[in-house]
Amino acid sequence: GDSVTQMEGPVTLSEEACLTINCTYTATGYPSLFWYVQYPGEGLQLLLKATKADDKGSNKGFEATYRKETTSFHLEKGSVQVSDSAVYFCALGTDKLIFGTGTRLQVFP
Amino acid sequence: GAVVSQHPSRVICKSGTSVKIECRSLDFQATTMFWYRQFPKKSLMLMATSNEGSKATYEQGVEKDKFLINHASLTLSTLTVTSAHPEDSSFYICSARQGGGTGELFFGEGSRLTVL
Repeated sequence: GDSVTQMEGPVTLSEEACLTINCTYTATGYPSLFWYVQYPGEGLQLLLKATKADDKGSNKGFEATYRKETTSFHLEKGSVQVSDSAVYFCALGTDKLIFGTGTRLQVFP
Repeated sequence: GAVVSQHPSRVICKSGTSVKIECRSLDFQATTMFWYRQFPKKSLMLMATSNEGSKATYEQGVEKDKFLINHASLTLSTLTVTSAHPEDSSFYICSARQGGGTGELFFGEGSRLTVL
């Protein structure tokens, strides 16, 4: 069945460092791909999404490109801030979503 | 964005009792809501799809009689964990779809259940 694999965390970075959180998937068909973020004490929020191959989703300085050839949707940000500290979930699907295990990002000043 | 609220956010109960968790869409109507369970360091596992006015659709391996889901109105779905046991302790999260079809999903804050 469909699945999502994320890199394990925590990822610990200094402020202004570059971020990459890897996400790969296996799927039949052509699902949409998502990144959700969960800040401490809050529910999951949609960060960005891409609905077809080669689409790039972007929001709040984060980007991810739907790469069919490598079945990947890596999350990137050029310069992280302390406020980006959260758990990030990669997900795929159309109606029902399948989530990765989540990657905790900790950014220190 | 739209708001989905869960209540209670934390609940502790004794083994053998039943616990009800509510999921409300506060500013939109949701014909479909989803219930997830999240284990520590694990992904969110979809438990069931809740459809307003009809029976929930459960994922394989999820006990229907154990996890009762009711979607009585367009803004409220409830999950009742019946005869709870320590292994039911987990973080339960609901989400609601705004509009039909592929409308965006909005998630509740989650409810942490601890069964003693």
